[in-house]
Amino acid sequence: RKEVEQDPGPFNVPEGATVAFNCTYSNSASQSFFWYRQDCRKEPKLLMSVYSSGNEDGRFTAQLNRASQYISLLIRDSKLSDSATYLCVVNIGTGGFKTIFGAGTRLFVKA
Amino acid sequence: DTEVTQTPKHLVMGMTNKKSLKCEQHMGHRAMYWYKQKAKKPPELMFVYSYEKLSINESVPSRFSPECPNSSLLNLHLHALQPEDSALYLCASSIEQGPPYEQYFGPGTRLTVT
Repeated sequence: RKEVEQDPGPFNVPEGATVAFNCTYSNSASQSFFWYRQDCRKEPKLLMSVYSSGNEDGRFTAQLNRASQYISLLIRDSKLSDSATYLCVVNIGTGGFKTIFGAGTRLFVKA
Repeated sequence: DTEVTQTPKHLVMGMTNKKSLKCEQHMGHRAMYWYKQKAKKPPELMFVYSYEKLSINESVPSRFSPECPNSSLLNLHLHALQPEDSALYLCASSIEQGPPYEQYFGPGTRLTVT
C-alpha cells in the first residue's frame, strides 16, 4: 500500500462546479499535511496547509480527519485557472523525517 | 516574499560531464531540500539540509553530491550521470526541517543526460 494515496484522475468539470479531492495516508506518525498545486512543467506551489479544525481560503476548503487518516480539498465555483494537478503532501516527523507526495490528481475545468 | 531561485533552468550534459545545479533563498530558512521529479510522477525527496548540515540522504547514488556552502545556498554536483537521471530537479526550503513547516519550491532545473 502506498503511504499517501489520492483519487485517481483526471477530473473533468465545467466552470462553476464544485469538486472534491480525497487523500489517505497510512503512517500514523504523520504530523503535518498540505495541498499543493502543480501546473504543467512548473514547480509545486503551496495551496494550503491542512489542520484538524479545517481551514478555508476563498473558494478552497481543506479538512483533516486524523481518526480515519484522510485529507480532503474542496474547490467551489471552479475557474478555468484551477486546471492543474493537485498534490497531497504529508510530513512524517517522528523518529526521523520524511516528506511524502501523493501521485496527484489532475483537474480539467472546461468552459 | 517566498522565493527560491534555481540555476540553470535547463541543462543538457553527457554521461562523462561534471556539472552543478544551484539553489538560493533569502527568506532566512534553515532547511533546504533537493527533489527529483520524473514526468507524470510526484517529486521524490533526495536530500535534506538542516542548519547547513546534511540531515537526510534518501539512498541517492553517489553520482549526486549535495553541498550547502551557507544557509542561503544549496548546490547539487553531478558526475557520471545516466540517461535515466534525466528529470526535473527541484529545490525547496522551509523555516526549519519537518512538521509543521511548509516547503517552498524553486522553479526547478530540467536536466537531460545524453
